[in-house]
Amino acid sequence: NAGVTQTPKFQVLKTGQSMTLQCAQDMNHNSMYWYRQDPGMGLRLIYYSASEGTTDKGEVPNGYNVSRLNKREFSLRLESAAPSQTSVYFCASSEGNRGEQFFGPGTRLTVL
Amino acid sequence: SQQGEEDPQALSIQEGENATMNCSYKTSINNLQWYRQNSGRGLVHLILIRSNEREKHSGRLRVTLDTSKKSSSLLITASRAADTASYFCATDAWNTGFQKLVFGTGTRLLVSP
Repeated sequence: NAGVTQTPKFQVLKTGQSMTLQCAQDMNHNSMYWYRQDPGMGLRLIYYSASEGTTDKGEVPNGYNVSRLNKREFSLRLESAAPSQTSVYFCASSEGNRGEQFFGPGTRLTVL
Repeated sequence: SQQGEEDPQALSIQEGENATMNCSYKTSINNLQWYRQNSGRGLVHLILIRSNEREKHSGRLRVTLDTSKKSSSLLITASRAADTASYFCATDAWNTGFQKLVFGTGTRLLVSP
């Protein structure tokens, strides 16, 4: 099992460009999450999907959109990238409503 | 807003020594979890302790939870160079219908051979 995979690993964007970060899990988990991690800070929740077909805002959703394409895949879209969105983005999944979360390796995004 | 605050921010010890990290939080919780992050990698779950538990062990890890003081500690015994990483506590607030973990700022642990 690959666990949680993310693509791309690295990305550089110019201000105003758009892109989609991809995430997939092969553990048949119901819940999926997107976090961002900035230097010296813990992770902050951007959006989550409690189950296939549902998505909800987390702590820092502004500037982002998500799609729960199916049970396996949860994508994060930046419609018009801003320098403040320079960060490392992590996708995670969990089997149920509560408990251990499994993380992907992250995407390092730089917005110039 | 960060609910969990870790202390110390950084810790440097020798192999074989014990490492203790503390986490304080602000609101009532359902559970508290500890994660490890190696440099440039994703987070790995270490241990989960529920609000009705006071202590939990997993291998060389010992976690305590004091809900009256809203604090938790993670003890790593007989540390190894491979334990070098950042450690984060994450809290699952009591009044949410769905788990939305709130992470602390982390403790950077350096274990020297």
